Amino acid sequence: DQQVKQNSPSLSVQEGRISILNCDYTNSMFDYFLWYKKYPAEGPTFLISISSIKDKNEDGRFTVFLNKSAKHLSLHIVPSQPGDSAVYFCAASANAGGTSYGKLTFGQGTILTVHP
Amino acid sequence: NAGVTQTPKFRILKIGQSMTLQCTQDMNHNYMYWYRQDPGMGLKLIYYSVGAGITDKGEVPNGYNVSRSTTEDFPLRLELAAPSQTSVYFCASSPQIDKNIQYFGAGTRLSVL
Repeated sequence: DQQVKQNSPSLSVQEGRISILNCDYTNSMFDYFLWYKKYPAEGPTFLISISSIKDKNEDGRFTVFLNKSAKHLSLHIVPSQPGDSAVYFCAASANAGGTSYGKLTFGQGTILTVHP
Repeated sequence: NAGVTQTPKFRILKIGQSMTLQCTQDMNHNYMYWYRQDPGMGLKLIYYSVGAGITDKGEVPNGYNVSRSTTEDFPLRLELAAPSQTSVYFCASSPQIDKNIQYFGAGTRLSVL
């Protein structure tokens, strides 16, 4: 049972346009969500996060939106740059009660390709 | 600034062999994690540790063992390698103040033939 799903294996966009990556989750206990970015032969690196008490968090060109009722989050990258080409993972954790210990559940990843 | 260091980067094992994947971090993080990533899949948690001497199972612990004798080191042991353990293994660490934001090593690519 996959609790975090990224249904688009890949996404291709033109430089300067918007990239929208989507993620769905099924576990209602998840209350903290993160996006990680991964280049080939490297480990994932943290990109941006959002708590369930918010519906939007912005950091420069990156914005994450959370729709709790739909159990859906999205990552918007504006404008997209060729250096953004990477695999993007959505991740979630359940922190209520202080017992999550940082255990993350990851989606399958979306390969983003930004063409010059 | 090394961060999280994993060794080796690549390894080929024969079925039934044993090996230890090494992981060390220099950020004085309390929390450490081992994940595996299979092709086309997300990362799955194998084991985690909240501090020296304390470890616990994650989602997919079977066939693996860990120990945490120091804050810096968190080795992962495969006792009897099986083809199903062919994967890329990532070690990560996080500070207690924000345990969800994890810092990853570059990974170990393991093939069991």
